[in-house]
Amino acid sequence: GNSVTQMEGPVTLSEEAFLTINCTYTATGYPSLFWYVQYPGEGLQLLLKATKADDKGSNKGFEATYRKETTSFHLEKGSVQVSDSAVYFCAPHRSYSSASKIIFGSGTRLSIRP
Amino acid sequence: EADIYQTPRYLVIGTGKKITLECSQTMGHDKMYWYQQDPGMELHLIHYSYGVNSTEKGDLSSESTVSRIRTEHFPLTLESARPSHTSQYLCASSGGQIYGYTFGSGTRLTVV
Repeated sequence: GNSVTQMEGPVTLSEEAFLTINCTYTATGYPSLFWYVQYPGEGLQLLLKATKADDKGSNKGFEATYRKETTSFHLEKGSVQVSDSAVYFCAPHRSYSSASKIIFGSGTRLSIRP
Repeated sequence: EADIYQTPRYLVIGTGKKITLECSQTMGHDKMYWYQQDPGMELHLIHYSYGVNSTEKGDLSSESTVSRIRTEHFPLTLESARPSHTSQYLCASSGGQIYGYTFGSGTRLTVV
């Protein structure tokens, strides 16, 4: 079946540090890959996506590359800010016939110290 | 502006009460979903719908029910609330695999 393994948190970094949150998945077929972010007290927001192999999604300084050979979609940012403190979810999305469900990772809580 | 709306944002209610959590979207999406989010952040799919008059139970068993009479509206109902129903409930809709999900802001339910 489809599944996703995401780096466990919490992750605590100092401002301007480099961030990597690992994500690997198993999925039948060819999923689209997403990272979602959840700020305190809010719903999830789409952060970035990639829909085919070797695509790089980017937004707000975050990047992730669709690696089909390693079935990975690691999230990176070169210099984190306090405002990046949130929970991050990796999510492959596969549609087949009429079915269409995202499998969410367990979430990684990120805290950035000033 | 196309969006997805959940009401109320916060609800505190007594045990045994009937409640309905509202979810509406203006994007014309056929696919809609309800997730329950526990304090450890993990998301559990409790209901989904692929169109009008289509509803399915999700991966996590839930005592709630849903209906989909109109494309834009996907309410969730608890006939008799219990403290174990205390949680954050998130509604989402999707335009297809390459678009992912759009989430509402969530309803934080507390049953006392």
